[in-house]
Order: sequence, then C-alpha cells, then structure tokens
Amino acid sequence: DGGITQSPKYLFRKEGQNVTLSCEQNLNHDAMYWYRQDPGQGLRLIYYSQIVNDFQKGDIAEGYSVSREKKESFPLTVTSAQKNPTAFYLCASSVDTEAFFGQGTRLTVV
Amino acid sequence: AQSVTQLGSHVSVSEGALVLLRCNYSSSVPPYLFWYVQYPNQGLQLLLKYTSAATLVKGINGFEAEFKKSETSFHLTKPSAHMSDAAEYFCAVKDRGSTLGRLYFGRGTQLTVWP
Repeated sequence: DGGITQSPKYLFRKEGQNVTLSCEQNLNHDAMYWYRQDPGQGLRLIYYSQIVNDFQKGDIAEGYSVSREKKESFPLTVTSAQKNPTAFYLCASSVDTEAFFGQGTRLTVV
Repeated sequence: AQSVTQLGSHVSVSEGALVLLRCNYSSSVPPYLFWYVQYPNQGLQLLLKYTSAATLVKGINGFEAEFKKSETSFHLTKPSAHMSDAAEYFCAVKDRGSTLGRLYFGRGTQLTVWP
C-alpha cells in the first residue's frame, strides 16, 4: 500500500538533546512537508521541500533542521535550540491539490 | 498569507442531531478548501475538498460542505451525528495560484457526540 510512514510513534527527549524524526513515503511525490501540532493551535508549517536536495523554511523553522537526500525521505531534526519541542509532529506529501499525512510522532521532553 | 478561522473550538451534539462546523477564509481569491478529520494520536484524513465549480461538496462518512464566496465560508455539515464522528476537525486552504502544496489550517474544532 502507498503511504507515508513516520517513526517512531512516540519519542522522549532529554533537555539539550537533538532528536530526529523519520518520514518515508512511497507515493512518488516530489513535495513533502513537516507540520507541528499543538492543542488549540492547528497545524503550523516547519519546513517543506519541493524537490530532492532543496528545502525551505516554513513559518516556525527556528530550532529545527531537515534534509532531503532522497525523494522518499524527509527527516526532521529537533535541535536543542528548540525551546519548547513537546508537540505532535506530522509529515505530509502532496500532488496537485491533495495532501497525504503520516500517522504522526508525539515528542515529549522529559 | 492565508488566514483560516474556525468558529468554536468545541462543539457538542447529541447522537442523531445536526452537525455544523464553521470555517471562514480570508483571501479575496477563493482558494482550494479542505476539511480533515483527526482521531486521537492519528494523522489527518481528508473528508472532502472544494477545487472547482460545484459549490456543494459531498465527502466521506455522510459529511458535506458548501462553498459560499459571498460569505468566504466553507461550513461542514452532517444531518445526523453518530458516536463515531467524535474527533477533531480541521479546515484548511491552499492558494489556488501557487505551485506549492502547503496548507494553511484553522485551529481545529473538537466535536463531542453525546448518546
């Protein structure tokens, strides 16, 4: 089945650590996105990539980094510079007018 | 940038009652419009989308939405609520003239269905 796979589903981070969230898609989509979801805030765009080896900052990129070395993969690193990383993170890909979402990763700082 | 407003962060209805979730957008050029549903700790599932001339859009699970340009609205309705409809609902828009597929989301509406 085609889709987007995010891993892990739950992730715990100690303060000062960098952590990487995985996002893999087999839909052959060029465009991929990372959104952050906080209660009552909706989804906010962190980074996006329209093609391999290219990516752009979204609305809340500070404290995050990404790479796009392969079409299928768009990992997100939450760095120690992100002061409030506890949130639900959603990866998406899109073609034409439709976006497809992964099942999300819930990151908690302990 | 686009702005999406969902009126009411929480809506409660009885099973069998009408569901009405409100969404308004800000742009002068009508965008593409979407409604998504999210169950706890899950991703987003597309309910329906408006991309062309038909202003009344039917989606999955008995939901439908009507695009009203004069009101810049895209409200979601379902004639008869079911317990399984309890979830969070997001309205989203995409710029019609943009090649970028990013979505702008409202803050979400949590729907509770009482037995």
